[in-house]
Amino acid sequence: GESVGLHLPTLSVQEGDNSIINCAYSNSASDYFIWYKQESGKGPQFIIDIRSNMDKRQGQRVTVLLNKTVKHLSLQIAATQPGDSAVYFCAESRNYGQNFVFGPGTRLSVLP
Amino acid sequence: DADVTQTPRNRITKTGKRIMLECSQTKGHDRMYWYRQDPGLGLRLIYYSFDVKDINKGEISDGYSVSRQAQAKFSLSLESAIPNQTALYFCATSDPGQGLGDEQFFGPGTRLTVL
Repeated sequence: GESVGLHLPTLSVQEGDNSIINCAYSNSASDYFIWYKQESGKGPQFIIDIRSNMDKRQGQRVTVLLNKTVKHLSLQIAATQPGDSAVYFCAESRNYGQNFVFGPGTRLSVLP
Repeated sequence: DADVTQTPRNRITKTGKRIMLECSQTKGHDRMYWYRQDPGLGLRLIYYSFDVKDINKGEISDGYSVSRQAQAKFSLSLESAIPNQTALYFCATSDPGQGLGDEQFFGPGTRLTVL
């Protein structure tokens, strides 16, 4: 079946360094991807999205890269800050938003 | 996100009880969703609704039912709660007419414990 990011890794980075969070997806028909951030005790919050006809998209301090050849998605956070500490989820869908499949998430810890 | 509210925020119940979780939104979105979150498994879709007259099963609908009372309200019911339904439940809304695709806006979650 479809699967996104089968494990929950933890990434620890020093404050000020860049973070790269990775996500593997299995459905080559997926055409829309979102990264969400979930802080403790809160619901997921949209960070950035990308369509399959793009390979890179930039936001404020964040960049999403899509490699369709190897079905890989990454989130880059520049100059990581303590407020970036959270669990980050990737999600994939077909038809630009129907039936999202979420990965289990990656926990990002920012060290002082 | 204060635009999507869920009640209750926490609930402890016993096996066999009927439970209803409520979701309300002020975003004016047609699409609403119910997910459950379990440690290490991410979010899994239970039911979704693209408008008031539309209800669709998600990945894990067994043991759950929903009601879309109005555009702004989408309720999730557990007809006879069982312990493996202990989880964090999230409601979400979306409006596919904005942005690249269909960004979903999530409520704060309801933590349900079934004893």
